Amino acid sequence: AQKVTQAQTEISVVEKEDVTLDCVYETRDTTYYLFWYKQPPSGELVFLIRRNSFDEQNEISGRYSWNFQKSTSSFNFTITASQVVDSAVYFCALSEAWNNDMRFGAGTRLTVKP
Amino acid sequence: EAQVTQNPRYLITVTGKKLTVTCSQNMNHEYMSWYRQDPGLGLRQIYYSMNVEVTDKGDVPEGYKVSRKEKRNFPLILESPSPNQTSLYFCASSLGPSPSSGNTIYFGEGSWLTVV
Repeated sequence: AQKVTQAQTEISVVEKEDVTLDCVYETRDTTYYLFWYKQPPSGELVFLIRRNSFDEQNEISGRYSWNFQKSTSSFNFTITASQVVDSAVYFCALSEAWNNDMRFGAGTRLTVKP
Repeated sequence: EAQVTQNPRYLITVTGKKLTVTCSQNMNHEYMSWYRQDPGLGLRQIYYSMNVEVTDKGDVPEGYKVSRKEKRNFPLILESPSPNQTSLYFCASSLGPSPSSGNTIYFGEGSWLTVV
């Protein structure tokens, strides 16, 4: 069975601090996809990244970076030099290769204080 | 513009009063699904549809119905809403069922439903 665990329920940092959001997943499939979404206070889901299980390269996009480690079944998300606009709930999700049934973690609420 | 449109966006209703949340996509997608989001639980899939007239249960289908008579529309029906169905609902669509590259999953903006 698939499962995604985001152990950090809430994180609070001060602007310009770096912050890492943890995501640990479980799956029996060898081919799967991992996602991160941002949910600002307005409620919509903003797609951040999709990674397939065969691509373990870390990715950087501006202040955002992702560390995918199959050995530890983790797909962590780091925000460098956080800003107030980064305040949101962040979801990690997992999907099998054949099915768009996404399993979401419980989410991590990030608050960035000025 | 590629869109998944949900209506209503906000609704307060009473227990037992049937309601329908509509979902429409303009991308000719075959795959559509509904999720509900609850605190501490993330999003959980309610129902999904592989194509017209093909629907199946997700993880939490109790108390919900869906239909897929047209490719673009996938309404979520609450025949007799109860307070435990108070939640934020998301509709999603994609070209096909597999999340491979090029098969982007589009989410609607969400529908906040409160049942009193």
